[in-house]
Amino acid sequence: EVQLVESGGGLVQPGGSLRLSCAASGFTFSSYSMNWVRQAPGKGLEWVSYISSSSSTIYYADSVKGRFTISRDNAKNSLYLQMNSLRDEDTAVYYCARGEDLGTTVLPFFDIWGQGTMVTVSS
Amino acid sequence: DIVMTQSPDSLAVSLGERATINCKSSQSVLYSSNNKNYLAWYQQKPGQPPKLLIYWASTRESGVPDRFSGSGSGTDFTLTISSLQAEDVAVYYCQQYYSTAFTFGPGTKVDIK
Repeated sequence: EVQLVESGGGLVQPGGSLRLSCAASGFTFSSYSMNWVRQAPGKGLEWVSYISSSSSTIYYADSVKGRFTISRDNAKNSLYLQMNSLRDEDTAVYYCARGEDLGTTVLPFFDIWGQGTMVTVSS
Repeated sequence: DIVMTQSPDSLAVSLGERATINCKSSQSVLYSSNNKNYLAWYQQKPGQPPKLLIYWASTRESGVPDRFSGSGSGTDFTLTISSLQAEDVAVYYCQQYYSTAFTFGPGTKVDIK
């Protein structure tokens, strides 16, 4: 079964750091780009970051650029998001999502999503 | 960044009736080299992650019921549920993947009338 499982969320004070992980299974992880998408309580979806299959290409939303770092370990089938200098507005459920481009080598849509991990930034 | 808008914000439709959601992008998401619109639709039920319904504006994801259909090109797109079922109650989001901001629309909530 194709699956993504996030972990690492929790309560952190403003200015603090947190590292999220996403464990992939049921597919060849190294062949797919990956993304982080977040959803603040009661709000819509916001894309956070993208990493290509080989880690050669990385993108960030302006709202997290310079504070968040995406990475992956293809040997461990894992995706990560290092979050530093956290702010109240970073409070959200964070989803990892697989990117699928069907071989077009252009940007992907997101075909598989994890259940999410909650990050709460509060003093 | 490409801005995505959706209308209406919410709608209530009787069981078995048609539901139509509109999505508009601030610039074209039609990729000229392959003539594909880089527009996806997702369904999110309460307490669940989003689920991919439609990609390339009109291609239904495997396993998605054929009552869901997508149409449109360029900047204007539509998601249609031809015969609303109780299990279709959800928030629906459009998303562009033409540019690296991967922006989502604000969502449309669909309920039963």
